[in-house]
Amino acid sequence: GENVEQHPSTLSVQEGDSAVIKCTYSDSASNYFPWYKQELGKRPQLIIDIRSNVGEKKDQRIAVTLNKTAKHFSLHITETQPEDSAVYFCAASIRGGYQKVTFGTGTKLQVIP
Amino acid sequence: DGGITQSPKYLFRKEGQNVTLSCEQNLNHDAMYWYRQDPGQGLRLIYYSQIVNDFQKGDIAEGYSVSREKKESFPLTVTSAQKNPTAFYLCASSWLGDTDTQYFGPGTRLTVL
Repeated sequence: GENVEQHPSTLSVQEGDSAVIKCTYSDSASNYFPWYKQELGKRPQLIIDIRSNVGEKKDQRIAVTLNKTAKHFSLHITETQPEDSAVYFCAASIRGGYQKVTFGTGTKLQVIP
Repeated sequence: DGGITQSPKYLFRKEGQNVTLSCEQNLNHDAMYWYRQDPGQGLRLIYYSQIVNDFQKGDIAEGYSVSREKKESFPLTVTSAQKNPTAFYLCASSWLGDTDTQYFGPGTRLTVL
């Protein structure tokens, strides 16, 4: 089955700096890669996703890149703010019909004011 | 945050007892999922269901059972056979087909006394 590895497990950055979280996946058939943000004690919420037919997607201060050849994808947060502090999960799945999503183990991001 | 709800928010169980966690959605989603979240281990799939009266085991189904008698409801029973049930349980739902984003409920924190 699919295996998703996520690094780093914790990340501290100064407010205003950029943060990068990296994930690798094992199943070359995976074609959908969402990122979720989970604030303490709350539900994970989708913040951005990318499908395998594109290499990069941006939404304001966040962006995701995908390298299908190397089977890795990354989340980039620019101009970090204290409210960006949360746990971020990457995931991989195969679209169409039933989707079984495999999650990474999460990255705890701390933005220091 | 509306659309998918879980109850109760906190649940305490004595050893040897079965407990049932509720998950309801009014998003008309076909698929529903149960995940377990432990610190540092991300989200692990317990059970999933694509349609009413059908469900499949996920990666860690032992000690758990589910039912899907209605499209809107997917309750999870944590049985006494689950050796280490203390965890945060998340329910999710999604469409089948093109849009495969998962929407999460607020979670239930189960503690075994």
